[in-house]
Amino acid sequence: DAGITQSPRHKVTETGTPVTLRCHQTENHRYMYWYRQDPGHGLRLIHYSYGVKDTDKGEVSDGYSVSRSKTEDFLLTLESATSSQTSVYFCAISGRTSYGYTFGSGTRLTVV
Amino acid sequence: DQQVKQNSPSLSVQEGRISILNCDYTNSMFDYFLWYKKYPAEGPTFLISISSIKDKNEDGRFTVFLNKSAKHLSLHIVPSQPGDSAVYFCAASRYNFNKFYFGSGTKLNVKP
Repeated sequence: DAGITQSPRHKVTETGTPVTLRCHQTENHRYMYWYRQDPGHGLRLIHYSYGVKDTDKGEVSDGYSVSRSKTEDFLLTLESATSSQTSVYFCAISGRTSYGYTFGSGTRLTVV
Repeated sequence: DQQVKQNSPSLSVQEGRISILNCDYTNSMFDYFLWYKKYPAEGPTFLISISSIKDKNEDGRFTVFLNKSAKHLSLHIVPSQPGDSAVYFCAASRYNFNKFYFGSGTKLNVKP
């Protein structure tokens, strides 16, 4: 969607390798989030950021790390990918609670 | 433990009829609720919101009802259209906490 982009859109990687997903926004929003979507679980929060260098864990943070060195970029790293991390990953941004989030188009990650 | 639950994974309705999607939550501190709509291969998009000071909010064909005592909300779509076929997620938050918890989604199919 306009204002938020995720890269790559698709990735296949091998078990045990590190993977980094990127979220880039042009809205200058303070809050950024990483969610994963899995059948039967909906959207689950992995990590979120409330400012540059300010991050916190979500519901399913084990095996993931994040970094935010600039307002516009929020990186999600799988330190050593496992098959259980095969999922669709969504980045979201928020500047005003009353409108919730704006989501990116997602990254489909397959760990083989 | 899921704090927001959508117990119906799917719903099928005829075009022109009413669609009712349900959502339950367990955390009594939640006071702000959203519905999102998601098409395949796209990110979720914001549909409608409601705060706990209201019990109803309307936007065109979409109405959200909130029953705080039952910790239940529902989304009504009247009349349903084939273009409404999508996955619908409800989400809940404590206002100003800027962190939303999502349900597992309900896939709506509107038949022509």
